[in-house]
Amino acid sequence: QSALTQPRSVSGSPEQSVTISCTGTSADVGNYNHVSWYQQHPGKAPRLIIYEVTQRPSGVPDRFSGSRSGNTASLTISGLQAEDEADYYCCSYAATYTWVFGGGTKLTVL
Amino acid sequence: EVQLVESGGGLVQPGGSLRLSCAASGFSFSTYEMNWVRQAPGKGLEWISYISGSGKTIYYAASVKGRFTISRDNAKNSLYLYMNSLRAEDTAVYHCASSFASRDFENWGQGTLVTVSS
Repeated sequence: QSALTQPRSVSGSPEQSVTISCTGTSADVGNYNHVSWYQQHPGKAPRLIIYEVTQRPSGVPDRFSGSRSGNTASLTISGLQAEDEADYYCCSYAATYTWVFGGGTKLTVL
Repeated sequence: EVQLVESGGGLVQPGGSLRLSCAASGFSFSTYEMNWVRQAPGKGLEWISYISGSGKTIYYAASVKGRFTISRDNAKNSLYLYMNSLRAEDTAVYHCASSFASRDFENWGQGTLVTVSS
């Protein structure tokens, strides 16, 4: 199972919006609603911020939103804040109780 | 408050074995699916194993199948990972993570570092 493809890095200024893409295949991202996103600050455990493509767990600001088009999922962060600077990972179910993660994207808030 | 606390990591020689534990609290452990996810130094996340709430359904990533064994003890609210035939490429922080319904990897532990080196 190949890792999902994410850009290595993205950046944006405070209050701007950024979008991180996550490209898979018709065997994973394009075929299941179990697409999720995780935020990880340095030295910390990952935190679930989007599940089921578009759903936000309680406590996650509505500045974070998810979407999907075909085999590509996207995470959009609007109204960027300094604390959003972190690594972001997408993940997709890939059949028969297996999951595949993306390689991760480093978000820099300028 | 949901808590997952891993333990058991350390330095082990190539070919050696190690058992990791994950102590869960703050939720109904037996009703949650559990996973192990690892992260090599400076690298991304890699899912490596899944176990259902009852422990009857188990799956592994190809990279660890045949060498690692996942298990759980619902009476002790604990998850385990037995790692055999360890290789240098198994060096990573190992996280346990809970899943419920469609909320994959909803809660994570801080992880325990496993270093495979001679």
